[in-house]
Amino acid sequence: ILNVEQSPQSLHVQEGDSTSFTCSFPSSNFYALHWYRWETAKSPEALFVMTLNGDEKKKGRISATLNTKEGYSYLYIKGSQPEDSATYLCAFMPGLGYNFNKFYFGSGTKLNVKP
Amino acid sequence: DTAVSQTPKYLVTQMGNDKSIKCEQNLGHDTMYWYKQDSKKFLKIMFSYNNKELIINETVPNRFSPKSPDKAHLNLHINSLELGDSAVYFCASSQENGGFSGANVLTFGAGSRLTVL
Repeated sequence: ILNVEQSPQSLHVQEGDSTSFTCSFPSSNFYALHWYRWETAKSPEALFVMTLNGDEKKKGRISATLNTKEGYSYLYIKGSQPEDSATYLCAFMPGLGYNFNKFYFGSGTKLNVKP
Repeated sequence: DTAVSQTPKYLVTQMGNDKSIKCEQNLGHDTMYWYKQDSKKFLKIMFSYNNKELIINETVPNRFSPKSPDKAHLNLHINSLELGDSAVYFCASSQENGGFSGANVLTFGAGSRLTVL
């Protein structure tokens, strides 16, 4: 069983604040890392696919970085808006010795942006 | 036009019953999955099928049996339901991408909340 940890578990910020949270994963056998955004009463939706050490991805005000050597990824939201309120999940895919398509999910960071 | 659709959305049943959850995807994806959201909110893989062939079969009780009649459908049948089976079950699909499966983002259904009384 591989541990994928996300911190913090929950976060409350004011509209306009910038924020970040972390996904930690085993550094020894990396293959890929995904970030998903999960709004209440909806399905998780893919935000980023990260595969190379040093990857930086950006979509609007949301960006992510990846450090495979130390086993973490950061998700940043600049100027948070109420519509950013959601749970952000990371999903880690290990490499050798594991089935392809097998993702290990963190428990998510629940973000609440107050107007 | 829902990409991954699961039915039913809610299912309340008695212990000992047998029930099924159906999943269909209209994305033309090759791979489908069942995930269970546990009590700590983790999404845990249960099964994965690629072109109707079982490729991931996690340690789940053999009361759980997936069935994939074609690559667009993956159903989950549960026999002799127990209280601990109460959870939200998510179906998902993905498309193989030139052999690099790390890029295969998951498209999820809306989830099926199973409550066993």
